Amino acid sequence: DTAVSQTPKYLVTQMGNDKSIKCEQNLGHDTMYWYKQDSKKFLKIMFSYNNKELIINETVPNRFSPKSPDKAHLNLHINSLELGDSAVYFCASSPAIADSYEQYFGPGTRLTVT
Amino acid sequence: DQQVKQNSPSLSVQEGRISILNCDYTNSMFDYFLWYKKYPAEGPTFLISISSIKDKNEDGRFTVFLNKSAKHLSLHIVPSQPGDSAVYFCAADTSNTGKLIFGQGTTLQVKP
Repeated sequence: DTAVSQTPKYLVTQMGNDKSIKCEQNLGHDTMYWYKQDSKKFLKIMFSYNNKELIINETVPNRFSPKSPDKAHLNLHINSLELGDSAVYFCASSPAIADSYEQYFGPGTRLTVT
Repeated sequence: DQQVKQNSPSLSVQEGRISILNCDYTNSMFDYFLWYKKYPAEGPTFLISISSIKDKNEDGRFTVFLNKSAKHLSLHIVPSQPGDSAVYFCAADTSNTGKLIFGQGTTLQVKP
C-alpha cells in the first residue's frame, strides 16, 4: 500500500488554466505538507496543515490555495497557471507537529505549464 | 538566502569504499538535521537524523556527524553499494516547526 500518494503524476497544461493536485496519506498522520522543487532542484516548503488547520504558509502567490477536507487529504489548487509554476510538487506527511522532523513524501507531481 | 548548502553537486565512489556527503548551514537556530535519499521519479525518503545535542548518530552503514561550531554535517556511507546511487538531501529544522529547510542535493554514484 502506498503511504503517501499524489494524483496526477504528470500534468501538462496551458498558461491561464486552473488545475488541482490531490494528495492522500494512509499513515494516520496529523500533519501534511506541500513542497515545490524548482528547476534548480531546491525543495521548498509551501504549506503545512495540522488536523485540517493551516499552520505554515510560506511566501506563495495567492493563486495557490491548499484545501484539507480531512486530515488524510491535502489538495493543492492553482489558479491562472504561469510558466514559472512549472516544477515538481511533493506532498508529505508527519505523525504530529511535535514529531514532525521525519516527513514522509509522496512520489511527486510534475507540472509543466506551456 | 540559502540557509542549507550542499556545495558538491555530485560524488562518484567505488563500490565498497566510503562515501562522504557534506552539508553546511548558516542558521545557528537549527536544532535538528536530517538526511533524505531520493531516487529518480520518486519522493525523498528519510534516511537518518541527528539532534543538535549530539555529534554523531549511526544506523547500520550510515553515520551522520555534526560539528556545530563549524555549522557542518556530513553523512558517511560505509561500505557504499550500487543501490546507494541516488540524490541525497540534507535538511534542517528549528524548534520542531516542521518547516524543513533543504539543501540542493548531492548526486551520489556508486560504481560496481
